[in-house]
Amino acid sequence: DAKTTQPTSMDCAEGRAANLPCNHSTISGNEYVYWYRQIHSQGPQYIIHGLKNNETNEMASLIITEDRKSSTLILPHATLRDTAVYYCIVRTEANQAGTALIFGKGTTLSVSS
Amino acid sequence: EAGVAQSPRYKIIEKRQSVAFWCNPISGHATLYWYQQILGQGPKLLIQFQNNGVVDDSQLPKDRFSAERLKGVDSTLKIQPAKLEDSAVYLCASSLMQISNEQFFGPGTRLTVL
Repeated sequence: DAKTTQPTSMDCAEGRAANLPCNHSTISGNEYVYWYRQIHSQGPQYIIHGLKNNETNEMASLIITEDRKSSTLILPHATLRDTAVYYCIVRTEANQAGTALIFGKGTTLSVSS
Repeated sequence: EAGVAQSPRYKIIEKRQSVAFWCNPISGHATLYWYQQILGQGPKLLIQFQNNGVVDDSQLPKDRFSAERLKGVDSTLKIQPAKLEDSAVYLCASSLMQISNEQFFGPGTRLTVL
């Protein structure tokens, strides 16, 4: 799986949009971009994933650049409960053994009032 | 729907002692993962099961770590003997299929080795 680069930390005011960037310049054509987050003392939680097109669900939006070398996770209206470590992961979805997630250090997002 | 259950939540042991962790995945989930998360780092896969068979254990330190999933449902992870560097959170995750968009994680077991 390709490696990702994320800022170590970011701050966001409550109610504002949080935009978390991720670089994955060596991503392959069959690799998806996944986002998970981990709130303190909990296990990671799936947020969203995408291949080429922008994606949106009830939690967040994922914007992937046309060349797929970077992406941005957007939390439209951040709340204090969104304070967490956010992991950007690239992963294939081919029929192969070993589909575990490879986590980096992620971005620590701090939302303050 | 109940989530992934793990026990114990916390464990403190002396080095060279043995310890076991238990995981009960979401009902019907065929794939089960054990991850190790050292403080300040992201989780790292130790072993992956598909039903009761091992799919990937390439990063499991087999001289001291073992895991089983005998009936294809719950699983145990054992460390014998423990070392100081085994202090970490051990996370269990499950997914419906081997190729699945979403893995569901349990709360983890925090192990401290003194």
